[in-house]
Amino acid sequence: AQSVTQLGSHVSVSEGALVLLRCNYSSSVPPYLFWYVQYPNQGLQLLLKYTTGATLVKGINGFEAEFKKSETSFHLTKPSAHMSDAAEYFCAAGLTSGTYKYIFGTGTRLKVLA
Amino acid sequence: GAGVSQSPSNKVTEKGKDVELRCDPISGHTALYWYRQSLGQGLEFLIYFQGNSAPDKSGLPSDRFSAERTGGSVSTLTIQRTQQEDSAVYLCASSQRTLSRGAGTGELFFGEGSRLTVL
Repeated sequence: AQSVTQLGSHVSVSEGALVLLRCNYSSSVPPYLFWYVQYPNQGLQLLLKYTTGATLVKGINGFEAEFKKSETSFHLTKPSAHMSDAAEYFCAAGLTSGTYKYIFGTGTRLKVLA
Repeated sequence: GAGVSQSPSNKVTEKGKDVELRCDPISGHTALYWYRQSLGQGLEFLIYFQGNSAPDKSGLPSDRFSAERTGGSVSTLTIQRTQQEDSAVYLCASSQRTLSRGAGTGELFFGEGSRLTVL
């Protein structure tokens, strides 16, 4: 069965430090991959997506992610954390093998320490 | 509208009552999804509508849950005889088209959710 695994339900980083949020997918067919961010009491907002082409994807707010097929990973990074990055982040896979379904990870709550 | 609109934003109800949650998707979006987000959990797929096709109801947790989409636009999620375990945030999302390679971005646009509390 297809799945998306996010390692670490809570991650804390210091302001200015590297942000690394991990995501691995399990799928026989490489899916479309997404990272969404959810701020308190808001819906999910797209950060970035991988569909085809370049495996290093740049998104909003300085975030980027690299699709690594050999590792079935799509980790999210940002070189320097900002207080405003504190939120919950969801990795999702959009399955393309004749279905419309999306599989979401359980989310990682990012805390940024001053 | 400019984005996906959901109402009510907050709903507190007593156990056993029925509730209706509304979603107004982005104009022109043919795909509509309902998800449930419980504390500490990921997004649980509930139901999917695509155009005039029969909806995929495979994620509905019980027969107390139902949803409809009128005129290919507004959708209503109904929960009958609510239970405390139904307490969650119910998220609606719409998409311009279904996923297929080379056809559309596949991005989901989410509403802000309806927070349901069952006492």
